[in-house]
Amino acid sequence: NAGVMQNPRHLVRRRGQEARLRCSPMKGHSHVYWYRQLPEEGLKFMVYLQKENIIDESGMPKERFSAEFPKEGPSILRIQQVVRGDSAAYFCASSSSRNSNEKLFFGSGTQLSVL
Amino acid sequence: AQSVAQPEDQVNVAEGNPLTVKCTYSVSGNPYLFWYVQYPNRGLQFLLKYITGDNLVKGSYGFEAEFNKSQTSFHLKKPSALVSDSALYFCAVRDMGDYKLSFGAGTTVTVRA
Repeated sequence: NAGVMQNPRHLVRRRGQEARLRCSPMKGHSHVYWYRQLPEEGLKFMVYLQKENIIDESGMPKERFSAEFPKEGPSILRIQQVVRGDSAAYFCASSSSRNSNEKLFFGSGTQLSVL
Repeated sequence: AQSVAQPEDQVNVAEGNPLTVKCTYSVSGNPYLFWYVQYPNRGLQFLLKYITGDNLVKGSYGFEAEFNKSQTSFHLKKPSALVSDSALYFCAVRDMGDYKLSFGAGTTVTVRA
């Protein structure tokens, strides 16, 4: 039973390019969360999605960032016109429900480096 | 609003000694509390959680945590630390009925041989 799969593991982009980060949740999970981890900081919530729906994007910057979780295929976090400040580790997590007492399963993350 | 504080950036202990990683939280309702561990270049791994019931929760790899409602704390403990316990530890909280999990800044644990 594969866990949460994220790819790529490392992504290098030049300023102004687009970054696409992919996340395949655990089998049977329809709830996906994206978090960003900056050096010396904890994980910051970005967005919560269920299949085909964005439930909460309150932690995501209003511009340049978008997320989707289509009916078929992985969840995508898209960052347009990247800047150096976007350099961070981006983690995806999944769960089978939105129950508060349920733990999240995390992927290994995508390390984004913006040159 | 919910938040988590981990007051220590780093904890250093000798192998075989007890290990404690501190965590305090703030929620408007009843808390659900979690501990995760992160090894270098890896994702977070679940250690344990407190939902309700016994204040002492036992988890993976010999770790346990004690929920203290009056002090709003959920400290992680291990009676005898191993070198392999060296990692980054995160405390997290959810308010009952909420889906958003809020993390502390993390505590780096170093266990020396």
